[in-house]
Amino acid sequence: NAGVTQTPKFRILKIGQSMTLQCTQDMNHNYMYWYRQDPGMGLKLIYYSVGAGITDKGEVPNGYNVSRSTTEDFPLRLELAAPSQTSVYFCASRTDGQGTYEQYFGPGTRLTVT
Amino acid sequence: RKEVEQDPGPFNVPEGATVAFNCTYSNSASQSFFWYRQDCRKEPKLLMSVYSSGNEDGRFTAQLNRASQYISLLIRDSKLSDSATYLCVSYTGSSGSARQLTFGSGTQLTVLP
Repeated sequence: NAGVTQTPKFRILKIGQSMTLQCTQDMNHNYMYWYRQDPGMGLKLIYYSVGAGITDKGEVPNGYNVSRSTTEDFPLRLELAAPSQTSVYFCASRTDGQGTYEQYFGPGTRLTVT
Repeated sequence: RKEVEQDPGPFNVPEGATVAFNCTYSNSASQSFFWYRQDCRKEPKLLMSVYSSGNEDGRFTAQLNRASQYISLLIRDSKLSDSATYLCVSYTGSSGSARQLTFGSGTQLTVLP
C-alpha cells in the first residue's frame, strides 16, 4: 500500500538550476496538492489539481509550475531555483467524496538551494 | 492576521499530564476543522476531525466554538509517543480557494519521562 510517494527525498540545487519534484498516488484520488513548509511554519499551498488536465494556483505559486496529465502523477517544476525556495515540499491527495476532506501526504522532499 | 493561529509552544509536560492546545480562525466561512499531527521531519497525518458538538477519540478530545471561532484539542494521560507538532487546520470550500485546507503553524508538544 504505497499511498503517496515523492522523489527525490533530498536535493541540493545551485541558484538558477531547474528540477522536477515527482509525486505519485495509487489511491485514484482526483484532488492533489503541493505544499511547502519552511522551518517552524505551517504548510503553504503552492498549486492544486482537481483532476487530470486541471490545475490552479494556491497561496504561493510564483517560481513553480505543475502539470497533471494523469490521475496518478502531479509533478512540481522549479525553473530557476532561488535560495527562497529552500524548504520541505509535501505532495498530498484526497478523494472527492462528499464530506471527506482528509488529505494523505507523501514523505516530503527536502530541497536546499545554495 | 493569519487565517489560522496557534500558540507555537513548546509545551513540555510530564508523562501522564493533561495538556490543551488552542487555535483561533479568522474566516467565519470556514466549514470544517481538523487536527493533524506531524512528527519531527515527517509528513502531517490526520489525528481527528472537529465537530461542533465536540468529539472524543480515546485520550483526545476536540472542541469547536463557532461563536468565538475557537478550536481546542485536549490530550489526557500524555504518553511519550504523543510528542509531536499538532497542526490546527480549517477547510473553506468557497470558490476561488475551493477545496483547500489552511494550516496553522503548529504547536510543539514534548512529553517528558
